[in-house]
Amino acid sequence: QTVVTQEPSLTVSPGGTVTLTCASSTGAVTSGYYPSWFQQKPGQPPRALLYNTDNKHSWTPARFSGSLLGGKAALTLSSVQPEDEAEYYCLLYSAGIYVFGTGTKVTVL
Amino acid sequence: QVQLQESGPGLVRPSETLSLTCTVSGGSINNYYWSWIRQPPGKGLEWIGYISYSGDPIYNPSLKSRVTISVDTSKNQFSLRLSSVTSADTAVYYCARGVTLSIWGQGTLVTVSS
Repeated sequence: QTVVTQEPSLTVSPGGTVTLTCASSTGAVTSGYYPSWFQQKPGQPPRALLYNTDNKHSWTPARFSGSLLGGKAALTLSSVQPEDEAEYYCLLYSAGIYVFGTGTKVTVL
Repeated sequence: QVQLQESGPGLVRPSETLSLTCTVSGGSINNYYWSWIRQPPGKGLEWIGYISYSGDPIYNPSLKSRVTISVDTSKNQFSLRLSSVTSADTAVYYCARGVTLSIWGQGTLVTVSS
């Protein structure tokens, strides 16, 4: 089964920019993997941020953006705010099913 | 706005069947796909499967032999059944809308223990 890998942890300063990536064990991630991104804070359910690579939900702050970067799906957080500290998960469509990434813990420090 | 709420037993005995229901309020269950996801304590998310409002479920191959997802449009609900549970099935179970998982329920913790 496909394994989807993310950076275990990243640290960013307030106001800075950080890029999280999402890689598939099957090869380069393309738009056909329909990448989605989710934010989860402790004790809360995940919240959807992006779908189909770079589409924002109506509630998604403008500082969150999605792309394909070097064969991976990417989530970029710009002008990072303290409230962006959270765990972030990607989700890929592969071989007819969906697979979550391993998650990235983003610390704002 | 659309809201989802999971319900079901919080404790299930080993080898028995876990049964959960997700009630959709504020909107119709029709014309969407509906998904189940779980998260063991302190761990990451695992996709369980989804179903369309008309049926036709798709399951995670690692759970396929034990899982059933069904939908009841008359009650605006969809359900999850997981048979032959073990302690490895202890997790917070979430329901969500669509395959993009745009809206999530609050989740319900199911513990498998004797």
